Amino acid sequence: DAKTTQPPSMDCAEGRAANLPCNHSTISGNEYVYWYRQIHSQGPQYIIHGLKNNETNEMASLIITEDRKSSTLILPHATLRDTAVYYCIVRVIQGAQKLVFGQGTRLTINP
Amino acid sequence: DTAVSQTPKYLVTQMGNDKSIKCEQNLGHDTMYWYKQDSKKFLKIMFSYNNKELIINETVPNRFSPKSPDKAHLNLHINSLELGDSAVYFCASSHWGQVNTEAFFGQGTRLTVV
Repeated sequence: DAKTTQPPSMDCAEGRAANLPCNHSTISGNEYVYWYRQIHSQGPQYIIHGLKNNETNEMASLIITEDRKSSTLILPHATLRDTAVYYCIVRVIQGAQKLVFGQGTRLTINP
Repeated sequence: DTAVSQTPKYLVTQMGNDKSIKCEQNLGHDTMYWYKQDSKKFLKIMFSYNNKELIINETVPNRFSPKSPDKAHLNLHINSLELGDSAVYFCASSHWGQVNTEAFFGQGTRLTVV
């Protein structure tokens, strides 16, 4: 699975959009981009995933660049409960969902 | 109706003891996992079972022995506990190989070896 690079920490004001970047320059054509988050030592929680098209669900939007070498997770209206560590993971869809977690981005939402 | 449940939530034990952590999922998934999160907060996969068959074993000491009595359960037994085993252990489950699915994690078991 390709390696990802994320900023170690970010801050965002409550109510604003939080944009979390991820670099995955060695991504292969059959690898998907997944985002998970971990709120204060709880179990990781799935947010969204995509291959090459932009994706949106009730939690967030995922923007993947045309060359697929980077992506941005967007939380449109961040709340205090969105304070968490966000993990960008790149993986092939096959068999077991072996998730390789990096250091992630610690996002702090400020009131 | 918790999707992935682990017991116990906290476990404090002495070095050298043997302990087990239990995990159950009610999502109808066929694949289950154990992850370990150490004091530096790095999450690493340990094991994965698909339909009760071990498919991932990530260089984990053989003191750790997972057991899957059925698709809905994956237990983790640890022999001769060491201080370095102190960590949070997460159980997870998913469907095998499907695109539009994700892994669901339990709330974790915080193991402290003293």
